[in-house]
Amino acid sequence: AQTVTQSQPEMSVQEAETVTLSCTYDTSENNYYLFWYKQPPSRQMILVIRQEAYKQQNATENRFSVNFQKAAKSFSLKISDSQLGDTAMYFCAFMKHRAGNNRKLIWGLGTSLAVNP
Amino acid sequence: NAGVTQTPKFQVLKTGQSMTLQCAQDMNHNSMYWYRQDPGMGLRLIYYSASEGTTDKGEVPNGYNVSRLNKREFSLRLESAAPSQTSVYFCASGRASGGASDTQYFGPGTRLTVL
Repeated sequence: AQTVTQSQPEMSVQEAETVTLSCTYDTSENNYYLFWYKQPPSRQMILVIRQEAYKQQNATENRFSVNFQKAAKSFSLKISDSQLGDTAMYFCAFMKHRAGNNRKLIWGLGTSLAVNP
Repeated sequence: NAGVTQTPKFQVLKTGQSMTLQCAQDMNHNSMYWYRQDPGMGLRLIYYSASEGTTDKGEVPNGYNVSRLNKREFSLRLESAAPSQTSVYFCASGRASGGASDTQYFGPGTRLTVL
């Protein structure tokens, strides 16, 4: 069974600085997707970034980038130039590439990030 | 383009009451999902619909039923609410159909309290 672990329950960073959130996962699958979702105090679940395991290039979306290490089963999220609006809970999630009838996202328990002025 | 919408945003029920949570998406997505989010437990899949006309159980289906009314709408019904169903409920949709996997996009959530 797949599992996702986020080892940092809480983190904080000063505005404009860079922070890295960790995520490790366990799977025997070769092809899969990895995601980072953001949940601000509004509770809305917002997709931040997505990585396909067969792609070696790390995904980037503006100030957000990932460090995907397939052999180590590691998928960290780097937030550059942190902004107050980045304050949120961040969830790492895993999905099989072809999940058949058992399609679900496997979620970590989240990292609460506070960006301080 | 509203994305995924959910109604209501908040609801308080008494034990034994029934209610239906509504979800609609305007992205022409094939698959739709219902999750619940509880403190310390992350998100858990209740039911999903891989395509119009099909529904399947997720990890925690007991006490719930779903209806995929059409391609746009996917409702979640609690027939006899219990305090253990107090949670935040999220609906999500994805482009993929059949056996493929794809990114899921989420609605704003419904906070349900069962007294």
